[in-house]
Amino acid sequence: GAVVSQHPSWVICKSGTSVKIECRSLDFQATTMFWYRQFPKQSLMLMATSNEGSKATYEQGVEKDKFLINHASLTLSTLTVTSAHPEDSSFYICSAREGGRHGYTFGSGTRLTVV
Amino acid sequence: SQQGEEDPQALSIQEGENATMNCSYKTSINNLQWYRQNSGRGLVHLILIRSNEREKHSGRLRVTLDTSKKSSSLLITASRAADTASYFCATIIIKGAQKLVFGQGTRLTINP
Repeated sequence: GAVVSQHPSWVICKSGTSVKIECRSLDFQATTMFWYRQFPKQSLMLMATSNEGSKATYEQGVEKDKFLINHASLTLSTLTVTSAHPEDSSFYICSAREGGRHGYTFGSGTRLTVV
Repeated sequence: SQQGEEDPQALSIQEGENATMNCSYKTSINNLQWYRQNSGRGLVHLILIRSNEREKHSGRLRVTLDTSKKSSSLLITASRAADTASYFCATIIIKGAQKLVFGQGTRLTINP
């Protein structure tokens, strides 16, 4: 079945630094990937839609200059949290849908802690 | 943006009992999906029910859909301790890239 690999699984960084999270579709091509953020005991909130070869589409209220998304190939999307602050600490999850399938495949998530 | 509400927000039952979770949504849909999330992990797709279906089964899972009430339910029969997880319903926003939007989720605890 479709597999999405997300890396790193956890990261701790200092305030003001930037962190990059990678999302790879291992056995299929994904022209579109999605990035979600999840706070403890809450649901997943869609942040942005990552489109291969074009600009990402951000949800209302999500700062595009803070959460940089790059989808340079059909199998890789990256999310960079720039100038991270403690309030950016969260669980970030990517997902992708293989063409012709209805279900979405999710990465295992990245736990970001900003200190 | 959230698509709708799920209830209960938390459910704790004994192993062997059945667990029922409900989900309501706001917009018209082509299908509704249920996902499971173990603590601190990614999501696993459980089952999809199309808008023209009323009920669907998969192993110990039974999903119903009532499009007139914009609601769905997930029933897990003969629950096991390993079923402890959070369960989310999700629908697809069709505009543009077909974004998957989640409900609030139900935290299910199965007590041995």
